Amino acid sequence: GEDVEQSLFLSVREGDSSVINCTYTDSSSTYLYWYKQEPGAGLQLLTYIFSNMDMKQDQRLTVLLNKKDKHLSLRIADTQTGDSAIYFCAETGGFKTIFGAGTRLFVKA
Amino acid sequence: NAGVTQTPKFRILKIGQSMTLQCTQDMNHNYMYWYRQDPGMGLKLIYYSVGAGITDKGEVPNGYNVSRSTTEDFPLRLELAAPSQTSVYFCASSYSTSHNEQFFGPGTRLTVL
Repeated sequence: GEDVEQSLFLSVREGDSSVINCTYTDSSSTYLYWYKQEPGAGLQLLTYIFSNMDMKQDQRLTVLLNKKDKHLSLRIADTQTGDSAIYFCAETGGFKTIFGAGTRLFVKA
Repeated sequence: NAGVTQTPKFRILKIGQSMTLQCTQDMNHNYMYWYRQDPGMGLKLIYYSVGAGITDKGEVPNGYNVSRSTTEDFPLRLELAAPSQTSVYFCASSYSTSHNEQFFGPGTRLTVL
């Protein structure tokens, strides 16, 4: 069945780059997403990439997509303490979206 | 726009009690979803709706029921609460099936004792 996997924790120092990785199984996914969840809040869309793209850059965020390996990554440049949150990878081929378990990012000052 | 609102924010239930989690969106989205979030498990889809009057089961529907009488509202009903239903519940909505950006409510933290 469809599955999205990501590591559960990542710790970085303030100012360093963070890279959060994700693998997915559904090769028919048309969009892949990164959502951010801050403590006590719902998920909020951070960025997304269409399946025919390899890379998307949005200010400090860079998304890389390797369709052959079904691998998605999110790079956050110059990570700040405000980036501490849980980051969810998600894939969709229609109105149902499959979410990963989330990667908790800790940013040390 | 308020977006997606959920009530209550917190609730403690005793085993066997019933309750309804309310969800309302003001974005005129056709698609609405209920998820539960357990620690380290990500989001599991409970039920979804593609429009008023149409609902369908997701991945983990047992113990829950939904209705969608209007575009705006999508309540989730727990009939006989069990400890296994202790979780954080999120309602979400979206406007498109191709680019399916989902807008989430703030969540309801439910504890069943």
